[in-house]
Amino acid sequence: QQPVQSPQAVILREGEDAVINCSSSKALYSVHWYRQKHGEAPVFLMILLKGGEQKGHEKISASFNEKKQQSSLYLTASQLSYSGTYFCGTAGGGADGLTFGKGTHLIIQP
Amino acid sequence: GAGVSQSPRYKVTKRGQDVALRCDPISGHVSLYWYRQALGQGPEFLTYFNYEAQQDKSGLPNDRFSAERPEGSISTLTIQRTEQRDSAMYRCASSSRQGIAYNEQFFGPGTRLTVL
Repeated sequence: QQPVQSPQAVILREGEDAVINCSSSKALYSVHWYRQKHGEAPVFLMILLKGGEQKGHEKISASFNEKKQQSSLYLTASQLSYSGTYFCGTAGGGADGLTFGKGTHLIIQP
Repeated sequence: GAGVSQSPRYKVTKRGQDVALRCDPISGHVSLYWYRQALGQGPEFLTYFNYEAQQDKSGLPNDRFSAERPEGSISTLTIQRTEQRDSAMYRCASSSRQGIAYNEQFFGPGTRLTVL
């Protein structure tokens, strides 16, 4: 089943914070986050493995609650370059492929 | 080194024709994945390979779709008897390790397929 992302879209001013959520109805082994800019390929941000791990990448961090089968992506002090569509992808740990959500469109205004 | 490359970048074909889409992964990457992405949607998994072995083809929409990676490097996605609903961006990705769950995937630029 496709994970559900929320919100569908968000508009921020530069410097503001954002949270993007990803929720799945199936047991997860890992959650993957990608960002895609218009007309470009998705670019990897981070992977979180089951265990409640939290990872960070500069001002972008994420958490994974395996019991709730949810992950959240946190963008702090957003920059113009953060604009794009954010996708979470979920993996169940078997041989099944990665299942992506429909994406969250993030627009950062100066 | 070079990233993932795909060819052709654009393909326009008539309904009923067969098409072959090529993916050249990052050198040395052992896993290769195929996705289809509709406009405004996330990538939809089609199939993937570890080396030359196809691991999961459950995402292929029907038996008109097939993929191969005979030497564990370049892969070809073939769509037979194309239909208009096959029109989409087809992307491939590769990763340096086997499997799905804990591997960063590097995506290619995609092939935009239009079926008239």
